[in-house]
Amino acid sequence: AQKVTQAQTEISVVEKEDVTLDCVYETRDTTYYLFWYKQPPSGELVFLIRRNSFDEQNEISGRYSWNFQKSTSSFNFTITASQVVDSAVYFCALSEARSTDKLIFGTGTRLQVFP
Amino acid sequence: DAGVIQSPRHEVTEMGQEVTLRCKPISGHNSLFWYRQTMMRGLELLIYFNNNVPIDDSGMPEDRFSAKMPNASFSTLKIQPSEPRDSAVYFCASSTGPYYEQYFGPGTRLTVT
Repeated sequence: AQKVTQAQTEISVVEKEDVTLDCVYETRDTTYYLFWYKQPPSGELVFLIRRNSFDEQNEISGRYSWNFQKSTSSFNFTITASQVVDSAVYFCALSEARSTDKLIFGTGTRLQVFP
Repeated sequence: DAGVIQSPRHEVTEMGQEVTLRCKPISGHNSLFWYRQTMMRGLELLIYFNNNVPIDDSGMPEDRFSAKMPNASFSTLKIQPSEPRDSAVYFCASSTGPYYEQYFGPGTRLTVT
């Protein structure tokens, strides 16, 4: 069965620190998709990235980077030089090809960035 | 382009009353999802539609919940009768199709007293 584990419930850092949010997934499917979403205090869910299981290239977008490793079933998210505006709950999610659009979310990691 | 639109943004109702939540997906998206978020259970998928047809409603809690999508630009989630344990934030999301990212609406915060 598919499952997403975000073991870090809450992380606190001081501005400008780098921080990595962990995501471990379980799936029996060979074709699947991984996502990260951000939920700031205002409550909306904001899409950040989508990765398919055949593309293990790491991705960098500004201060954000993602490390996808199939060998360890992990899709970790790093924020470099964190800022107060990065404070939010971050969700990792998995979609298996055989489940069509169904997204399975992790429980989220609350990131607090202090000035 | 407008994102996913949900109404109302906040709803306070008394136990036993009927509640209807509304969603307008992004134009051109053919998949629509309803989620519920609570502190205890996190984000739960309630139901999703593809091309206006319900594909998976296994997440709908019980018969008190029903959802419809009469056309490509509108969906409703109805709770009748509502109970205090239904209090949550209900999100609607849409996507262009299988395996693509879902875009979420701002949510409806429902409080049942």
